[in-house]
Amino acid sequence: EPEVTQTPSHQVTQMGQEVILRCVPISNHLYFYWYRQILGQKVEFLVSFYNNEISEKSEIFDDQFSVERPDGSNFTLKIRSTKLEDSAMYFCASSPSRFEQYFGPGTRLTVT
Amino acid sequence: SQQGEEDPQALSIQEGENATMNCSYKTSINNLQWYRQNSGRGLVHLILIRSNEREKHSGRLRVTLDTSKKSSSLLITASRAADTASYFCATARMDSNYQLIWGAGTKLIIKP
Repeated sequence: EPEVTQTPSHQVTQMGQEVILRCVPISNHLYFYWYRQILGQKVEFLVSFYNNEISEKSEIFDDQFSVERPDGSNFTLKIRSTKLEDSAMYFCASSPSRFEQYFGPGTRLTVT
Repeated sequence: SQQGEEDPQALSIQEGENATMNCSYKTSINNLQWYRQNSGRGLVHLILIRSNEREKHSGRLRVTLDTSKKSSSLLITASRAADTASYFCATARMDSNYQLIWGAGTKLIIKP
């Protein structure tokens, strides 16, 4: 069964560094998302992407964040200058429609 | 205000018993979804119920939706140790078909 994959599974970075989190969505899906979950807290929406552009973003998704679909398969989330409070589990999801979303296993980002 | 609040926060039952978790939300929704998350792992989609549906079944899962009360319940029948996980409801608002708004989750423990 096709699934969303994410790499790396765990990323440790120093404050101020740039990180790129990578996702490979399910191949025939059209909608792509990033969410994050700070340890012990709710899952929070960051951004959705459709037709090669951002379709919706939350207040969390400020100028430090960007997303890209550089080729036909990868979907990346970049954080330009990481802060301690960016430490979280980041989930990528994809969807064939705007309804049911399929999530990847997540990347645990630790900012020191 | 918080969208998607689950209760109870934690539930511990004996294997074989039924587990019921509730979710309340505040805005009009397009659909409501339930997800499972095993400790530190990814989010697994369980079931989606649309706003014009009242009840849905999938295997041992039964979901109800009461849009007049803005609430939903997830019933797991004949629970198994493998059902031990956190369960989240997520709502897709009427004014947004992209992002999911998440509750804080119910931590379910099934005692063998």
